[in-house]
Parts: sequence; structure tokens; C-alpha cells
Amino acid sequence: AQKITQTQPGMFVQEKEAVTLDCTYDTSDPSYGLFWYKQPSSGEMIFLIYQGSYDQQNATEGRYSLNFQKARKSANLVISASQLGDSAMYFCAMREAPSLSSGSARQLTFGSGTQLTVLP
Amino acid sequence: GAGVSQSPRYKVAKRGQDVALRCDPISGHVSLFWYQQALGQGPEFLTYFQNEAQLDKSGLPSDRFFAERPEGSVSTLKIQRTQQEDSAVYLCASSPRDGTSGEGEQYFGPGTRLTVT
Repeated sequence: AQKITQTQPGMFVQEKEAVTLDCTYDTSDPSYGLFWYKQPSSGEMIFLIYQGSYDQQNATEGRYSLNFQKARKSANLVISASQLGDSAMYFCAMREAPSLSSGSARQLTFGSGTQLTVLP
Repeated sequence: GAGVSQSPRYKVAKRGQDVALRCDPISGHVSLFWYQQALGQGPEFLTYFQNEAQLDKSGLPSDRFFAERPEGSVSTLKIQRTQQEDSAVYLCASSPRDGTSGEGEQYFGPGTRLTVT
């Protein structure tokens, strides 16, 4: 089963409008973190916003907000007042607790991404 | 301050050649991660270092892949006898925190795009 599911391969939004990018996740770990990254065509992954599983309030960072619905296991990204520069690939990612026996890192597990295009 | 840098940005290798990809993390960052990103997909975890110790290499796809971080700063990902399926973008990320606990985002480099012909 996919741990992170992004069901929208591509999305279009008019400049200055708001857009919601969907993300659902699957974990049995009570402690986890959810991240959104932006990847423009230049390739670098840019951190946008973080939500901890125990956070009581939805995270916000400027024009970005995370609509966290824990019972539904969804962590949708809302971008308000879209700008042309927002056109990029957007990835949802999750970090779970490592396995204590293996000492593995809390690496990020990414979804397949959503290509957002902002129209002038 | 400087972010994570990677070199080369682009690499073309003939099948069977060995390649070495370099990552310079943000100075002082404890954790270093390597990810592989196939075209049109999200990055997938390869390996993790805490300082110079490689604590997790569960994501390395075969024994042709080898990574090191001998002095706890710069890291090199080496791929021996490259195959076409190795073609991907290889991303390096660093974090100031211990990667086995705590929070904090990972800061990514621009990646190395490897094309095996």
C-alpha cells in the first residue's frame, strides 16, 4: 500500500485564486510529521510547510496552509493568492519514527507529486 | 549562508562505467540523506549518515551503490558498472538534527541528473 498518495497528477489555477493540493497518508505510527515541498523545473526541493501529528492547529506559512484532518489521514496543501512563480511540482512527504532495532533514520517518504500550473 | 551543493549537476555515463556524485551539506549539519528521483516520481530514500557513520543503507538498490562520508561533512555516492535503470536525479539533503529523533526539515541540494546511455 502507498504510504503517501497524491491523486492529482496535474492541477491548473488562475492567478490570484486559491488552490488545494490533495495528500492522504497511511501509517500506524502515532508520532509522525507531514511535509510539503516545492520542486521547480530547476530541480531543487524547497521546503514549504510542516505539520506534526500532535499539533493541535493547522500549520500556516505565509500563503501556504496545511489542512490537516487526522482522522481522515489527509494533509492537503492550500495555496492562497496563486502567483505565476508557484508553477512547479509539489510533493507531500511523511516522516515516521525509525525502527529502534535497525537504527534507521527518519527519512522522508514522498508521494508521486502534483504538477501545478498557474495561468495568467 | 551556503545551502547544500552537489556536483556535477549533470553526468552522462556509458553503461558499465563507474560514477561518483558529490554532496556538500550545510556546514555543521549532523544528518545527511541521499535520495533517488526517477523521472516523474517522488524521491526515494537511499541511505543516511549521522556524522561519518552510515546508519541506514536499506534503500540502496544493489551492491553496485556505495556511499561514504569519511569526515562527517562531504559525502560521495558511487555507482559501479552503471546500468540504464540507474538514470535518475540523485538528491542529497542535510539536516541539523540527529536523523533518528526530533523534528526539523531536510534541506535539499539541486541534485545530480545522471543519464546512462
